[in-house]
Amino acid sequence: EAGVAQSPRYKIIEKRQSVAFWCNPISGHATLYWYQQILGQGPKLLIQFQNNGVVDDSQLPKDRFSAERLKGVDSTLKIQPAKLEDSAVYLCASRGNTEALGVRFGQGTRLTVV
Amino acid sequence: AQSVTQPDIHITVSEGASLELRCNYSYGATPYLFWYVQSPGQGLQLLLKYFSGDTLVQGIKGFEAEFMRSQSSFNLRKPSVHWSDAAEYFCAVGAGGATNKLIFGTGTLLAVQP
Repeated sequence: EAGVAQSPRYKIIEKRQSVAFWCNPISGHATLYWYQQILGQGPKLLIQFQNNGVVDDSQLPKDRFSAERLKGVDSTLKIQPAKLEDSAVYLCASRGNTEALGVRFGQGTRLTVV
Repeated sequence: AQSVTQPDIHITVSEGASLELRCNYSYGATPYLFWYVQSPGQGLQLLLKYFSGDTLVQGIKGFEAEFMRSQSSFNLRKPSVHWSDAAEYFCAVGAGGATNKLIFGTGTLLAVQP
């Protein structure tokens, strides 16, 4: 089984620029998550999709962050404009409908805002 | 509110020694509990999970964890540590029932001395 794919792996941008991250979940996984992991902290949920609908985006800074999952498969997370404090690893994860499977994570995109 | 506490930020053990990483959670109902491991530059890999039943859970790579409701703990153990176990370990609680939204602790960084 292929894992969760994310791209790019690394990105360096200047503050106030925009950036987008892409995620392809495990085939058949209806639930998709985006997490933000700041250095020295545990991952924090930004947004959760069930198919192409948003389940939880309570911690997404909506003035600058947006995410979509148009066909219920791939997802993109965008930041516009970026701030220095957005420097972090952005992790995508997915989960199938069977509870026992747990949540599976991609390798993440490391964003550095300078 | 749900939360996870990992009291130890950094632990160093000798190769071959036993290991215990502490995790305490706060959750109103019966929790879903997880341990993940993150190697440098990698995503999170699921080590083990507890949903119900036997409170001693076996995972991959020789790890086990014990759910202790009276202490609100889910400590991770390994009888003999290998150098390849050096990584960061995250405890997480699954909040929100079937949505399996994960709330992570801040992590414990494990170093292994030869």
